[in-house]
This record gives sequence, C-alpha cells and structure tokens, in this order.
Amino acid sequence: AQRVTQPEKLLSVFKGAPVELKCNYSYSGSPELFWYVQYSRQRLQLLLRHISRESIKGFTADLNKGETSFHLKKPFAQEEDSAMYYCALAPHASGGSYIPTFGRGTSLIVHP
Amino acid sequence: DAGVIQSPRHEVTEMGQEVTLRCKPISGHDYLFWYRQTMMRGLELLIYFNNNVPIDDSGMPEDRFSAKMPNASFSTLKIQPSEPRDSAVYFCASRHTDSYNSPLHFGNGTRLTVT
Repeated sequence: AQRVTQPEKLLSVFKGAPVELKCNYSYSGSPELFWYVQYSRQRLQLLLRHISRESIKGFTADLNKGETSFHLKKPFAQEEDSAMYYCALAPHASGGSYIPTFGRGTSLIVHP
Repeated sequence: DAGVIQSPRHEVTEMGQEVTLRCKPISGHDYLFWYRQTMMRGLELLIYFNNNVPIDDSGMPEDRFSAKMPNASFSTLKIQPSEPRDSAVYFCASRHTDSYNSPLHFGNGTRLTVT
C-alpha cells in the first residue's frame, strides 16, 4: 500500500525565512512524487514533480529514496507563498493508469 | 480551455435534503476523480472513472453517496440524504493518459454546508 505523510498541518514563517515542507512516503515500488498547491479559494494546481527536476516559483524538491522523503524547500519565503501544499505519490507505471495518493496537506503562512 | 468546471461553487442545505454536485472535465480527458477536502482528513479520494466507467468507489463513505458519469463531459456526485458531517469542499479532477503520469487538473470545488 502507498502512503504519504505530511507531519505538519501548519507551518508559520516570516517573510525572507527559509521554508521546508516535509513529505515522507511509503511505497514498495518506484514512486513518482508531486507537490500540489492551493492558494486561498483557488483550485489545486500542480507545483512541481520530481522527474522534472525544475524550480517553480523558487521552490525545489529532491527525492531522497534512502529517507523516503520529498521535502519542498524555498530559501526565502514570500507572502504570496501562503497556501495549502499537498504532497502526492503515484506508482511508477506506464500507460497512465496510476491513481495518486495525497498527504493531508500543510498550510503555509508567511508573515510580513 | 476553461479547465475543469464545477457547479455550484457553494451549496447550503438542510440535513436530510438531497445534494447534487456537478463536474465538467477537460475535453479529451479520460480519467475523472471526485475528492473531498476537510480540515481533519485532508484530501480524500471518493471515486474515480476511466472512460466514463466507475473503477474504484471504495472511498465513498456510505451508501448515501453515489456518483455517475453518463458521458465523457459530465459527472455528478449525489448525497441523499445529506448530513452535517458531509460538510466539506468537494473537488473534481480530470487527467489525460497521453503522457506518463500526467498530473491532475482540479476544478474550483464546491463548498457544501449541511445545517
């Protein structure tokens, strides 16, 4: 069974401070990991995925298979980063038949 | 493309009433998902369809919940009778399997309040 754990329900930081949103997963196969973001009263949208190895809005996330983690990081938080962040895991499957599992989400609040 | 369209955006109803939530997926997407979002449980998958066929409804909490997808461009989630504990934000999402593990596209959600 696959499982995604986001240990923090709420993360509160000041503008300019570094941010790390934690995500740990449990899966026996080779996973693909995603981060989705939901800004206030907006739809969830994909922020980044580990296979892309890209930085979006200053955020990066590295898949650490040894620690089974996919933490989301940003060196300097901005007020507009305040949102709900969901980590998601999908099996490494071809044909697109995966069904993602989401964590419970972490609410990030960036204070001015 | 307007994206995934859900209606209504807000629904307030009294306990015992029937509630119907609607979703129009992105054209060409062959997977459709219904999720429920609450503070306590986060984002829960209720049911998903592939090519209009329900594949897994194990996340549907009770028989009071039902979902249909009569065609590729429309799906409904019905709660009958509704209860206060059903209050949540319900999201619909769709995706297309043309690429490896393509991401989900979510609608704006329906905020349901049952009094």
